[in-house]
Amino acid sequence: EAQVTQNPRYLITVTGKKLTVTCSQNMNHEYMSWYRQDPGLGLRQIYYSMNVEVTDKGDVPEGYKVSRKEKRNFPLILESPSPNQTSLYFCASRRGLAGRETQYFGPGTRLLVL
Amino acid sequence: GQQLNQSPQSMFIQEGEDVSMNCTSSSIFNTWLWYKQDPGEGPVLLIALYKAGELTSNGRLTAQFGITRKDSFLNISASIPSDVGIYFCAVSNYGGSQGNLIFGKGTKLSVKP
Repeated sequence: EAQVTQNPRYLITVTGKKLTVTCSQNMNHEYMSWYRQDPGLGLRQIYYSMNVEVTDKGDVPEGYKVSRKEKRNFPLILESPSPNQTSLYFCASRRGLAGRETQYFGPGTRLLVL
Repeated sequence: GQQLNQSPQSMFIQEGEDVSMNCTSSSIFNTWLWYKQDPGEGPVLLIALYKAGELTSNGRLTAQFGITRKDSFLNISASIPSDVGIYFCAVSNYGGSQGNLIFGKGTKLSVKP
C-alpha cells in the first residue's frame, strides 16, 4: 500500500531534550516536506526537499533541522525543543517537483513540549 | 509570505444542508487544490483545479477555479455526518520551489445529524 508513515504518532518531551520524528514514504517520490498545524494558523511549511541531499527552508524553519540522505526518508530534528514547538506535525511527499502532482500526507505526529 | 484567505473559519450545519466555502488570494496561482482532514488524520486531496474557470465535481463535491486565478470555491451538497472535518484550500505554481503548496487556514465543518 502506497503511504507516508511517521513515528512516533504521539510524543511528550521536556524542553531541551533532542528528538527526531521520522518520516518514510514507499512511493519513490522525489519531493518531501514537513508542516506544522496549529489552531487558527492552518498548515505552515517547515522544510522541504526536492531530492536526496537537497533541502531548503519553508516558512517556519527556526528551531528545526532536516536531512535527506535517502530518497524514502526525511527525518525532522528538534535539537533543543521549546514549548512553542508543541504542535501537530505532518510529513508529506509528492512525485516530481511541479504543482500538478498529488501530495500525500502522513498521519501526523502530535508533540507536546513541557 | 503569501496568504490565502479562507472563509468561513467554521460552520455548523444540519445534515442534508448544502455547504459552500471559498478561498481568495491577492496573487495569481496556476493550481488550486482542496483537501479534507478527518479528525486525527492527515489531509487528503479532494479536488485539483488546473485551468482558470474550470468547474470540477467529485461526487457531492463541486469546486471551481476562478477566472481571475485568484479564488476558488468548494460546495458540498446534501451534507452527511462523515463530511465533518477541516477543509483546506491550497495553491501553487508550476516547477521547482514554486511547486510548494501554500495552505489556507481551513474551514472547520460540523454536521449535526
